[in-house]
Amino acid sequence: EVHLVESGGGLVQPGGSLRLSCAAAGFTLSDHYMDWVRQAPGKGLEWVGRSTTKDARYTTEYAASVKGRFTVSRDDSKSSLYLQMNSLETEDTAVYYCARSYNWKIDYWGRGTLVTVSS
Amino acid sequence: DIQMTQSPSSLSASVGDRVTITCRASQSIFNYLNWYRQKPGEAPQLLIYVASSLQTGVPTRFSGSGSGTDFTLTISSLQPEDFATYYCQQSYSTPLTFGGGTKVEIK
Repeated sequence: EVHLVESGGGLVQPGGSLRLSCAAAGFTLSDHYMDWVRQAPGKGLEWVGRSTTKDARYTTEYAASVKGRFTVSRDDSKSSLYLQMNSLETEDTAVYYCARSYNWKIDYWGRGTLVTVSS
Repeated sequence: DIQMTQSPSSLSASVGDRVTITCRASQSIFNYLNWYRQKPGEAPQLLIYVASSLQTGVPTRFSGSGSGTDFTLTISSLQPEDFATYYCQQSYSTPLTFGGGTKVEIK
């Protein structure tokens, strides 16, 4: 059974940094594109970024709102995905979901981890 | 970026009702359109992928249709667990984009 478990969320001051982790189980991480999606309190879903596979040369892509501040990375040997978030802004406050992509769909989601950016 | 517009933003319905939600893309996305249900306090759950394919384990009361720019999610007979928020999402190109959501409430 596929499981995705996020960790690393918490309270951080504006301008600070945070690193989220996602532990994957029940499938081979190296076979899949992986996404981060966030949801601000009471708001809709926003795609944050993506890590592709070795076949796609491990390229990463980002939403314009986080490009240059956030970095997605992965360690297939540890079945883990990461999101390094720098220069955090209050608008980055959200639940961050780790999600698996497969054949043009996001088919599994973690439960999410809450990031609060506030002074 | 491809903009996704859902309508309505909310609706009230009763158990057993037939419900239809629409989603429009700002350009053709062929059939690269997915639908998700999100219950309060939970992660989204994939219902329909590539416009009309039912995800494994999802009840057959859910169906999807459309291609190009206009898509529809239909729930044939609303059940208590279907009172939730529904999102469409295009997977044609990055950045992946979602519709604003449709909240289905109890009448």
